Amino acid sequence: AQSVTQLDSQVPVFEEAPVELRCNYSSSVSVYLFWYVQYPNQGLQLLLKYLSGSTLVKGINGFEAEFNKSQTSFHLRKPSVHISDTAEYFCAVSEDSWGKLQFGAGTQVVVTP
Amino acid sequence: NAGVMQNPRHLVRRRGQEARLRCSPMKGHSHVYWYRQLPEEGLKFMVYLQKENIIDESGMPKERFSAEFPKEGPSILRIQQVVRGDSAAYFCASSLAGDSYNEQFFGPGTRLTVL
Repeated sequence: AQSVTQLDSQVPVFEEAPVELRCNYSSSVSVYLFWYVQYPNQGLQLLLKYLSGSTLVKGINGFEAEFNKSQTSFHLRKPSVHISDTAEYFCAVSEDSWGKLQFGAGTQVVVTP
Repeated sequence: NAGVMQNPRHLVRRRGQEARLRCSPMKGHSHVYWYRQLPEEGLKFMVYLQKENIIDESGMPKERFSAEFPKEGPSILRIQQVVRGDSAAYFCASSLAGDSYNEQFFGPGTRLTVL
């Protein structure tokens, strides 16, 4: 069975500083990996995904993530955050042929001036 | 090109009543997923449907919960005899095809409060 762990429940960060959100997963089979962002009172929006190929994945809004199979991690990074990046970020995995997603508990990013 | 629509956005029910949550997928999408988000938690998969078929309901509670996606009209998540523990945000997502290569587009959610 798969599981997803987001190690930080909240990450405060200053505007224009870098941020890294950690995600580890466990699975006995190959997985597909995703990062979603949720703004207050909205649905989830896909930031980026890893399906195969290059382990460094670039997404929208300047985010990128690196798949590390040996460490079973998929950490999300942004070199310089904006106030508008304040949101909740969810890591998700799928090992199912139906595309069913399993989510981590989320990391709340709070960007302050 | 409208995105995934969910209604109502907010729903208040008393214990024992029924809750009906509707999800209209994006145009051209015939695959719908329902997820539940309890307070302070991530989303949990409930059910995956294609038009007129339930494909995977492994995340659905065995009692009181049901889902359908008829040939015409929106997908419906129905909760009978609601209890306080059903209070949560319920999200649906739609995709072109039911696999990990096709992005799931999420609706804004229905926030259910059970009094």
